[in-house]
Amino acid sequence: DTGVSQDPRHKITKRGQNVTFRCDPISEHNRLYWYRQTLGQGPEFLTYFQNEAQLEKSRLLSDRFSAERPKGSFSTLEIQRTEQGDSAMYLCASSLGRPTSYGYTFGSGTRLTVV
Amino acid sequence: KQEVTQIPAALSVPEGENLVLNCSFTDSAIYNLQWFRQDPGKGLTSLLLIQSSQREQTSGRLNASLDKSSGRSTLYIAASQPGDSATYLCAVLQGGSEKLVFGKGTKLTVNP
Repeated sequence: DTGVSQDPRHKITKRGQNVTFRCDPISEHNRLYWYRQTLGQGPEFLTYFQNEAQLEKSRLLSDRFSAERPKGSFSTLEIQRTEQGDSAMYLCASSLGRPTSYGYTFGSGTRLTVV
Repeated sequence: KQEVTQIPAALSVPEGENLVLNCSFTDSAIYNLQWFRQDPGKGLTSLLLIQSSQREQTSGRLNASLDKSSGRSTLYIAASQPGDSATYLCAVLQGGSEKLVFGKGTKLTVNP
């Protein structure tokens, strides 16, 4: 068990480009969550999956954002036509079951800088 | 709408001191409360998880308490060490939801 893995750790991109991040949860965890954290703020919920089904999306997740978890294992988060306001730390977390009992395990995050 | 507040925003203490970090939340309908540690530029490390039916949890030098009815939690760190320097985040799991609502964190500096 290597924990929750995120790739890449850092990404610098030019405004208008598309970027994709990957998250590999702990292998037996069926729930996967994406959060976004801007400087000096706590993380904010973006979306979550139970297996391959995307069950909830935040209003923060604009049309330029899309997330997938095609086989109920790893997940990708894509941002199209990036804007400077997208610069943030993107955090992935997973949970063995409902987080009411198990809580969350977070990855190390992907730091996105849009220039 | 649930709001989580952490006080103080920053704290600087000498090594060896015992300290308390505070967290308050506006809606007491929570499943649990989790304390996390975040080092600069890194992800979150879970420290303690308190279920809504529990009053406290302990792990080593850390003790977290929860008073759900008053919407408060505290994280007590005993005999602080320079390695404890980090930002500490409090988060509640809202009833009827699977999403965490976070505070902005308390940035702790322990001086040798």
